[in-house]
Amino acid sequence: EAAVTQSPRNKVAVTGGKVTLSCNQTNNHNNMYWYRQDTGHGLRLIHYSYGAGSTEKGDIPDGYKASRPSQENFSLILELATPSQTSVYFCASGGTGGDTQYFGPGTRLLVL
Amino acid sequence: QEKVQQSPESLIVPEGAMSSLNCTFSNSASQSIWWYQQHPGKGPEALISIFSNGNKKEGRLTVYLNRASLHVSLHIRDSQPSDSAVYLCAVSMDSNYQLIWGSGTKLIIKP
Repeated sequence: EAAVTQSPRNKVAVTGGKVTLSCNQTNNHNNMYWYRQDTGHGLRLIHYSYGAGSTEKGDIPDGYKASRPSQENFSLILELATPSQTSVYFCASGGTGGDTQYFGPGTRLLVL
Repeated sequence: QEKVQQSPESLIVPEGAMSSLNCTFSNSASQSIWWYQQHPGKGPEALISIFSNGNKKEGRLTVYLNRASLHVSLHIRDSQPSDSAVYLCAVSMDSNYQLIWGSGTKLIIKP
C-alpha cells in the first residue's frame, strides 16, 4: 500500500521564524504535492514537483518555498512564518498523468 | 480559473439509507473527476474517479457524470456509520492533471 509520512505532526512557531515541513513517500511516485486545508477553502495547492530537483508553483505559492532533493523527500519551507499561515498542511504523492494522489496524515501548524 | 462547488455542506442520513452528494464544476473540458473521503484528523483517501459521461459503480458507490450540465454526483448505498466523513470532489483540468478541489460535504450517518 502507498505510504506517505509527514513530520512533524504538530508544530507551534513564532511569527518571523523559519518552519520546515517534511514529507517522505515510499511509493516511488514521480509527482509530489503540498496543500493547505482551511475551513471553507478545501485543499489549495502550494507547490508540486515532477521529480528530484524539480519544484513548481501551485495556486498559492507566496510565502512558501519547496525542495525536492530526492525521489522520496519533498519539503515545504516557510522562511518567515506569519499567523496567516496557520493551517493544516498535507503532502501527497502520485504517479504521472491522472493517477490517484496518496496523502500523508497532515501537519497542524500554529503560528503565534 | 476552474471552480468546484459541492452541495450540501452537510448531510445527515439514517443508517441503511442512500447518501447522495453533489458537485458542479465550471469547465466542460475537465479531465477526470475524483471523489475523496476524509475522516477527522486524517488525510484524504481516493474513493472513485470518472472520466466519461454516464455512471460508474464500485461496490456500494455509484458516480454519475453529466458533462453537459457540469455536474457529478456520488451515491452511497446502504450507508454505514463508518461512512461518516467529509467527502471532497476534485477535478483535474489540464495536461498536468493538477486537481482543483471543492470545499467538501460533511456526511453523518445516524445509527
